[in-house]
Amino acid sequence: GQQLNQSPQSMFIQEGEDVSMNCTSSSIFNTWLWYKQEPGEGPVLLIALYKAGELTSNGRLTAQFGITRKDSFLNISASIPSDVGIYFCAGQETSGSRLTFGEGTQLTVNP
Amino acid sequence: KAGVTQTPRYLIKTRGQQVTLSCSPISGHRSVSWYQQTPGQGLQFLFEYFSETQRNKGNFPGRFSGRQFSNSRSEMNVSTLELGDSALYLCASSPAQDRGTEAFFGQGTRLTVV
Repeated sequence: GQQLNQSPQSMFIQEGEDVSMNCTSSSIFNTWLWYKQEPGEGPVLLIALYKAGELTSNGRLTAQFGITRKDSFLNISASIPSDVGIYFCAGQETSGSRLTFGEGTQLTVNP
Repeated sequence: KAGVTQTPRYLIKTRGQQVTLSCSPISGHRSVSWYQQTPGQGLQFLFEYFSETQRNKGNFPGRFSGRQFSNSRSEMNVSTLELGDSALYLCASSPAQDRGTEAFFGQGTRLTVV
């Protein structure tokens, strides 16, 4: 089956620093989605990417759909304490709407 | 617009019992997918329903089943519960205008099997 490798697994940063995380796949995806999950809650959609090479921003968040369609990255600029959580990438197959998720990046922001 | 609503939020069941979880999608969304989230396996796809038909299925045993009603609400059922079924079960709602659209998640149902 498809594999999504997400890195890093965890990050400990100081408030104000920039953060970068990425996902790579063994297969091509039609859509890349980035989610944030906080304890006891479901994942919240942050950014959706639909075209290879697409670069999309949502406030301090910027994500890109890789040219090969097998990778994506998420950047968070000027991190703040409320950025704490687990960030997941998810790829959507060309043949259906099933999402394949990465393992998640646990982000900790020290004030 | 109301978000995705899952009920109940928490459940405790005994091994061998069966359980039914409910999901109400965002109004106007016709696709509902179910995922299991565990610390060891992460988020795993269970199945997807569109217009009352199962359109896609993940690699889970037949004890896991689901259905969708004409108002797009969905239920999933797990029979003969095992300890390993303890997990957060998440429902995702999608407009499904085509195969490349956003999926919005509910808060999940935390199932504990004892």
